[in-house]
Amino acid sequence: KQEVTQIPAALSVPEGENLVLNCSFTDSAIYNLQWFRQDPGKGLTSLLLIQSSQREQTSGRLNASLDKSSGRSTLYIAASQPGDSATYLCAGRSGGSYIPTFGRGTSLIVHP
Amino acid sequence: ETGVTQSPTHLIKTRGQQVTLRCSSQSGHNTVSWYQQALGQGPQFIFQYYREEENGRGNFPPRFSGLQFPNYSSELNVNALELDDSALYLCASSFPAGQGRRETQYFGPGTRLLVL
Repeated sequence: KQEVTQIPAALSVPEGENLVLNCSFTDSAIYNLQWFRQDPGKGLTSLLLIQSSQREQTSGRLNASLDKSSGRSTLYIAASQPGDSATYLCAGRSGGSYIPTFGRGTSLIVHP
Repeated sequence: ETGVTQSPTHLIKTRGQQVTLRCSSQSGHNTVSWYQQALGQGPQFIFQYYREEENGRGNFPPRFSGLQFPNYSSELNVNALELDDSALYLCASSFPAGQGRRETQYFGPGTRLLVL
């Protein structure tokens, strides 16, 4: 059974900083991993999807990596802005069942 | 291209009642998944529908049931509501597994259910 952990639970940084959010998963036979952003009381916005055959994906200031052997994924945000403030969630989908398992998220605040 | 929509946005029910939540998939997507998100938690997978058939289920009791229609819209039904069912209910549409980046899930804004 896939378990997903996100550390830290909360993060507060000044504007302009580069930062890394961590996501750990227990089942190395992961099929894909997806990163999402959630604003308070809202649905999830897909940021990046990494297939098991890939090591990283990039979109603008975001870069996500996947290391199956260590059971880790990281989301790198460059030059953070106040508009990046939100909760960031990762979800791992195991091979076979395809059922996605979410972490509890990292709550990010970027202050001016 | 239209996004995923859900209705209603908010709902208040009492224990023991039944509720139906609705979801319209993003144009072209034939797979829909439902999630329950309690406050401060990540979404928990309820079930997934593909071509009107249940195609995977999480650890939820049978009183959580669903339907998918030929136009790929979907319903989540919950019977005999309990206080712990209070949560944000999210649906997500996508293409089915095996299609690479087209498996990206796109979420609706959610329905917030309060059970009193």
